Amino acid sequence: DAKTTQPTSMDCAEGRAANLPCNHSTISGNEYVYWYRQIHSQGPQYIIHGLKNNETNEMASLIITEDRKSSTLILPHATLRDTAVYYCIAPAGGFKTIFGAGTRLFVKA
Amino acid sequence: DGGITQSPKYLFRKEGQNVTLSCEQNLNHDAMYWYRQDPGQGLRLIYYSQIVNDFQKGDIAEGYSVSREKKESFPLTVTSAQKNPTAFYLCASSQVSGANVLTFGAGSRLTVL
Repeated sequence: DAKTTQPTSMDCAEGRAANLPCNHSTISGNEYVYWYRQIHSQGPQYIIHGLKNNETNEMASLIITEDRKSSTLILPHATLRDTAVYYCIAPAGGFKTIFGAGTRLFVKA
Repeated sequence: DGGITQSPKYLFRKEGQNVTLSCEQNLNHDAMYWYRQDPGQGLRLIYYSQIVNDFQKGDIAEGYSVSREKKESFPLTVTSAQKNPTAFYLCASSQVSGANVLTFGAGSRLTVL
């Protein structure tokens, strides 16, 4: 797996966009970037993934830099229910997906 | 509804006892995984299986055992050899082709008394 680096925690005001950065400077050309989130005491939930192009789905947008060394997950209108730990992962293929400590996002009213 | 079912949700065990955590999926996924999570930490991979009757050790397999006799089932046994078994255990599954998106169960919380 490519090593990923994320801030330990972030705050966001309710209704504002939450922008969660991830550094993956060692990522190789065929490694996807995946984002998951984990609400307290639940199993992680898949959010989005991408390779080169920016991606958007009903949950979030993923912006990947042109050199693919970093990415940003965007929650366009954060709600209190988006308070969770967000994991950025770049597995190297195979099935040994590693989850680091992630970013703890606090959405405040 | 398709998904992953883990049981029991909460489990208490005395020291020296083995305990088995159940994981069943009806997603027709070939690959299945077990992770361990300690408070405030990320997930650590215990074992994973890509196909029936085959499995590989993850990063922290010592003190754990698994079996994969059926595609739908991947039970995890926490043995007495695991020195610090109190943790939150998560099971996941995924397809083996295409995007390797993991679907997780709700987890089992094991407490050793």
